[in-house]
Amino acid sequence: DARVTQTPRHKVTEMGQEVTMRCQPILGHNTVFWYRQTMMQGLELLAYFRNRAPLDDSGMPKDRFSAEMPDATLATLKIQPSEPRDSAVYFCASGLVAGSTDTQYFGPGTRLTVL
Amino acid sequence: QQQVKQSPQSLIVQKGGISIINCAYENTAFDYFPWYQQFPGKGPALLIAIRPDVSEKKEGRFTISFNKSAKQFSLHIMDSQPGDSATYFCAAPHSGPFGNEKLTFGTGTRLTIIP
Repeated sequence: DARVTQTPRHKVTEMGQEVTMRCQPILGHNTVFWYRQTMMQGLELLAYFRNRAPLDDSGMPKDRFSAEMPDATLATLKIQPSEPRDSAVYFCASGLVAGSTDTQYFGPGTRLTVL
Repeated sequence: QQQVKQSPQSLIVQKGGISIINCAYENTAFDYFPWYQQFPGKGPALLIAIRPDVSEKKEGRFTISFNKSAKQFSLHIMDSQPGDSATYFCAAPHSGPFGNEKLTFGTGTRLTIIP
């Protein structure tokens, strides 16, 4: 049963520390998304990649957030330095954008708490 | 920038009843409107989606009704069951060069089915 995996599942850190979240997309998927979910803002798209190339990161605060895909099996989202307002659940999703297939498959999320 | 307005914010329905969640969207050149279901502690998962060359799509107890002229679509859950208790998100694509993969999500509806 193919699924998106994310690590860590939970992260508690102090303000100013660097946080790295990792995602392994479903094998064969060509598109990877990073979302942030909060009670106030709901589900927001931060960035996404097609065939490892960044397509859109307009939803991401550029001064402290960065997203990369070092290879087809790994996507990373980094926050440096972290702030309390970054506390949220971060989801990675992957999909195969081909023809009429548009389903995004979400991982279980990383719950980040910044103290 | 796409905006999606979802209502109600929360909904309580008796077991066996019909649950109805509504969404309205702004202009879009794309025709793909999914609904995602999220259980506590899990990532969202695609429930059902419609491409509005049809006005209705049904999968089991779940039906999407689409009104293109009004820019509205709704999710109907027939014979609602306690296992349907979850948060439901509608989504619509952004207008622009991104295709159907760049989605804006509604704010979510927390559905509770009571015995």
